[in-house]
Amino acid sequence: AQTVTQSQPEMSVQEAETVTLSCTYDTSENNYYLFWYKQPPSRQMILVIRQEAYKQQNATENRFSVNFQKAAKSFSLKISDSQLGDTAMYFCAFMTATGTASKLTFGTGTRLQVTL
Amino acid sequence: DSGVTQTPKHLITATGQRVTLRCSPRSGDLSVYWYQQSLDQGLQFLIQYYNGEERAKGNILERFSAQQFPDLHSELNLSSLELGDSALYFCASSVWDRANNEQFFGPGTRLTVL
Repeated sequence: AQTVTQSQPEMSVQEAETVTLSCTYDTSENNYYLFWYKQPPSRQMILVIRQEAYKQQNATENRFSVNFQKAAKSFSLKISDSQLGDTAMYFCAFMTATGTASKLTFGTGTRLQVTL
Repeated sequence: DSGVTQTPKHLITATGQRVTLRCSPRSGDLSVYWYQQSLDQGLQFLIQYYNGEERAKGNILERFSAQQFPDLHSELNLSSLELGDSALYFCASSVWDRANNEQFFGPGTRLTVL
């Protein structure tokens, strides 16, 4: 079974600064997908970024980028130029790429607070 | 707005009761997923349906059941409710059943069992 670990329950960053959220996972599979989801106070789950395990290039989406280290099974999220609207819970998630089931396995989340 | 709708938004009920949560996927999406978010268990996958058929099961209790109808909407039935069933229940949908497709989450139904 796959597991996802987020070791930082809470983090704080000042507006305009850069912050990195950590995520590690455990799997015996070679092909899989990794995601970062954002959950603001509204509780809506919003996809921030995704990474295919077979791609060596790290994914980027505007101010959001990942550092994917497949051998280390590490998938960290970097938020540049942090904004107040980035305040939210961030969940790292794993999805297997085999078969017809495509469930997401989530980490416990990191609560990010962006301050003035 | 993800395009996934869930009703009701909030539900308050008593222990031992039965409730039904409803989900309408995005137009064109054939796959529906149910997740439970509780304080002690975090976000957990419950069950997946694809075009009316069950595809995968997670840690779903026997008291819980789900189905997907011909019009592709899905219902999650929770019976013999216990205090510990209080949680936010999310529905998500995607185009098909395999990986490499984004799951779009609905706004959730907050269930409170008193």
